[in-house]
Amino acid sequence: EDQVTQSPEALRLQEGESSSLNCSYTVSGLRGLFWYRQDPGKGPEFLFTLYSAGEEKEKERLKATLTKKESFLHITAPKPEDSATYLCAVQASGTYKYIFGTGTRLKVLA
Amino acid sequence: DGGITQSPKYLFRKEGQNVTLSCEQNLNHDAMYWYRQDPGQGLRLIYYSQIVNDFQKGDIAEGYSVSREKKESFPLTVTSAQKNPTAFYLCASSSRTRGSETQYFGPGTRLLVL
Repeated sequence: EDQVTQSPEALRLQEGESSSLNCSYTVSGLRGLFWYRQDPGKGPEFLFTLYSAGEEKEKERLKATLTKKESFLHITAPKPEDSATYLCAVQASGTYKYIFGTGTRLKVLA
Repeated sequence: DGGITQSPKYLFRKEGQNVTLSCEQNLNHDAMYWYRQDPGQGLRLIYYSQIVNDFQKGDIAEGYSVSREKKESFPLTVTSAQKNPTAFYLCASSSRTRGSETQYFGPGTRLLVL
């Protein structure tokens, strides 16, 4: 069964304290892996799409990486405005459906 | 400004009432999706549509209905058969890039039962 697991469920960081969020997945052929940021009461905001193992994408303080079994979202020197829930999703080959993880709630303290 | 709009932002449903959530996109995307989000759970797919006049059930379609008469619009009706409708509803559309489809989301509608 296709599955996405995100860890940790919640993470508290001091401003400037770098860390990584994990997204482990099991799919029968990966078509794409997606990272989103979601603020409370709002729709998810697209961050990155990764297609194959070894691929990396960067945007400001965020960097996403992909292996054959998991993806990491690295946050370098986070700021309080990076506080949000980060969602990971995968799309398997041969399907139009996406499978979402339950997210990691990140809180960055000033 | 291209994007996805959902209305209303908040919706209240009485017992036995059907309500319709609106979703409009001007991104020229072919595919559109409806998800339900509950606290502590991942997004769950209700319905999706790849082209006009065609749609498929997702994982939790019972108690919901959709139509896709125009490329830009994909309204969701929550029927009285849906016994636990209180949730945050998200509409998405997708473009096809490099063989995969990146989804973009609207701002969401929060449905509450009176």
